[in-house]
Amino acid sequence: DVKVTQSSRYLVKRTGEKVFLECVQDMDHENMFWYRQDPGLGLRLIYFSYDVKMKEKGDIPEGYSVSREKKERFSLILESASTNQTSMYLCASSSFWGPSASSYNEQFFGPGTRLTVL
Amino acid sequence: DAKTTQPPSMDCAEGRAANLPCNHSTISGNEYVYWYRQIHSQGPQYIIHGLKNNETNEMASLIITEDRKSSTLILPHATLRDTAVYYCIVRVASYGQNFVFGPGTRLSVLP
Repeated sequence: DVKVTQSSRYLVKRTGEKVFLECVQDMDHENMFWYRQDPGLGLRLIYFSYDVKMKEKGDIPEGYSVSREKKERFSLILESASTNQTSMYLCASSSFWGPSASSYNEQFFGPGTRLTVL
Repeated sequence: DAKTTQPPSMDCAEGRAANLPCNHSTISGNEYVYWYRQIHSQGPQYIIHGLKNNETNEMASLIITEDRKSSTLILPHATLRDTAVYYCIVRVASYGQNFVFGPGTRLSVLP
C-alpha cells in the first residue's frame, strides 16, 4: 500500500519558535508538495519540489522554507512561527509527469499535521 | 488555470446516485478536469479525471458536457463512507502537477 507519512498529527508551538514538519513517502516519487488548509480557503500550495535539492515556490511561500536532501523526504520549516500559521498542513507526492498528455500521476496525500501556534 | 464553481453542500440518500456538479466556463482546450475528495481528518484522495470524453472507474463516473463548460461527478450508489468534501479542479496537464483546491462541495450521505 502506498504511503505518505507526516511526523506529527498534532503540534503545538509558541510564537517565534522554529518548527519542522517532516514528510516521508515510500513510493519513490519525484514530486513532493506542501499545502496548508484553512476553513473556507481550501488547500493552498506553499512549496513543491521536483527532485532532490530542487524547490519551487507555490502560491503562499512567505514565512516558510523547505528542504529536500533525500528523494523520499520533504521538510517544511517555519523559521519563526506566528499565530497566522496555525493551520492544517498537508504533504503530497506524485511521480514525474510523463510525455503523454493522457497520462496522469495522481497526488497521494499524507494524513496532515494540525499545527497550533500560541 | 480555469476557475471552478461548485455548490457548497449537498445531501444524498444512502444507496442513491450522488451527482456533484462543477462549472468551469472559462476552461481552455488543453485543461483537464480532476476530482478529488477529502474525508474528515484525512488527506485528499484522487477520484477521476478527464479531458473531453466521459470517464468511469471503480469509484465514480465523470460526465463532461460537449462544450466542456461544466461537468458532473457521479457516485452511482452512495454509501455513508462517501460523506466528504469533493473538489473539482481544472488545470493543464503539466510538469509539477500542483493543484489549486477551492472550497469544494460538502456531500452528506444520509441513512
